[in-house]
Amino acid sequence: GAGVSQSPSNKVTEKGKDVELRCDPISGHTALYWYRQSLGQGLEFLIYFQGNSAPDKSGLPSDRFSAERTGGSVSTLTIQRTQQEDSAVYLCASINSGGATYNEQFFGPGTRLTVL
Amino acid sequence: AQSVTQLGSHVSVSEGALVLLRCNYSSSVPPYLFWYVQYPNQGLQLLLKYTTGATLVKGINGFEAEFKKSETSFHLTKPSAHMSDAAEYFCAVIPYSGAGSYQLTFGKGTKLSVIP
Repeated sequence: GAGVSQSPSNKVTEKGKDVELRCDPISGHTALYWYRQSLGQGLEFLIYFQGNSAPDKSGLPSDRFSAERTGGSVSTLTIQRTQQEDSAVYLCASINSGGATYNEQFFGPGTRLTVL
Repeated sequence: AQSVTQLGSHVSVSEGALVLLRCNYSSSVPPYLFWYVQYPNQGLQLLLKYTTGATLVKGINGFEAEFKKSETSFHLTKPSAHMSDAAEYFCAVIPYSGAGSYQLTFGKGTKLSVIP
């Protein structure tokens, strides 16, 4: 079975542009997380989706960041008007919240974002 | 609020020597505890986890960790280091609250180097 996939693997953009990052979770996994990994801040939680419930957006650093999850599967993280401090690796993880491994998050390879 | 402290951002060991990576957590109740490994340009892979039950847990690649409630610690060990163990290791916690989004709170990471 396929793992979590993310695209693109690398993204270089100019300051002020918008970017979209995609995450395909493991089929059947009901919950999805986005994290950011940066040199200065380490690994930080951004947002969490669980089924049809309202997402937990408590980790989003600013209103330039948003995310959606369509059909309970694919998720897109959008960063508007990118800034240089947004440069980081964005990691997606999914979890089978109803299964035996309900507390185990499976991570994708990440998208490395560079804002020039 | 929870926090995770990993002592030592860089650890070097000789091939065949004991690996000891330290992790302490701060939490009002014992959380779920995890160790993840990250190889260059890859996502996070779960090494092992503690939820309940036996406090000594064994993981993949010969690693194990012991949960010590009195010391609020979850140190990672491996009896004999291999060159392929060179990677970055992250300790993480999830609050055992029975509710919420179960997002991981990570330590800053420890980069392990193995010297031939």
